[in-house]
Amino acid sequence: DTGVSQDPRHKITKRGQNVTFRCDPISEHNRLYWYRQTLGQGPEFLTYFQNEAQLEKSRLLSDRFSAERPKGSFSTLEIQRTEQGDSAMYLCASSLDRAGSPLHFGNGTRLTVT
Amino acid sequence: AQTVTQSQPEMSVQEAETVTLSCTYDTSESDYYLFWYKQPPSRQMILVLRQEAYKQQNATENRFSVNFQKAAKSFSLKISDSQLGDAAMYFCAYRIMYRGGTSYGKLTFGQGTILTVHP
Repeated sequence: DTGVSQDPRHKITKRGQNVTFRCDPISEHNRLYWYRQTLGQGPEFLTYFQNEAQLEKSRLLSDRFSAERPKGSFSTLEIQRTEQGDSAMYLCASSLDRAGSPLHFGNGTRLTVT
Repeated sequence: AQTVTQSQPEMSVQEAETVTLSCTYDTSESDYYLFWYKQPPSRQMILVLRQEAYKQQNATENRFSVNFQKAAKSFSLKISDSQLGDAAMYFCAYRIMYRGGTSYGKLTFGQGTILTVHP
């Protein structure tokens, strides 16, 4: 069990640029989640996948955000035309699809938009 | 919509003492799970405890235990014999059990409680 891996750990970008983050889940986990966390707050749900299907997407996820999991393994989260308000920690987690299966989190990608 | 509320932004405890972190939630569902997660500074979030709503017995794990009051929609975490390594942000989280006939994935978190442990 190598855990959930996220890349990069930190990303600094200028406003208006596009950024893409990658998440590699625990290999036997078929569910993958993206959350956003701002300083001192709890994680906010963005979206989740079961295999390659995107099952739910938060209303918080504007049209500038898109997530994919094309082969049901790793996932990417892209933010287009970044804004300063996008600065946050982006957390990825994975789980089995059994009821009550806990989420296992990665270390996150910290995005700073200047 | 389900909401999770942690009314204590910060708590502190002396090493070896006991501390209780509060959590309340709002739901109309009868079948769900509750979780406590710990997030140490600059480190990843890890699971502390899980409670199934249909179980009356409170979950425990070593020095960590919960007081689950389903009717009151309360789910507090007790940490006994606190250690310096317990210092972290603690999150309470909720998930319904099923939606559309299949197990449901989305976890809803509270705002968190920062726990400081004094030597």
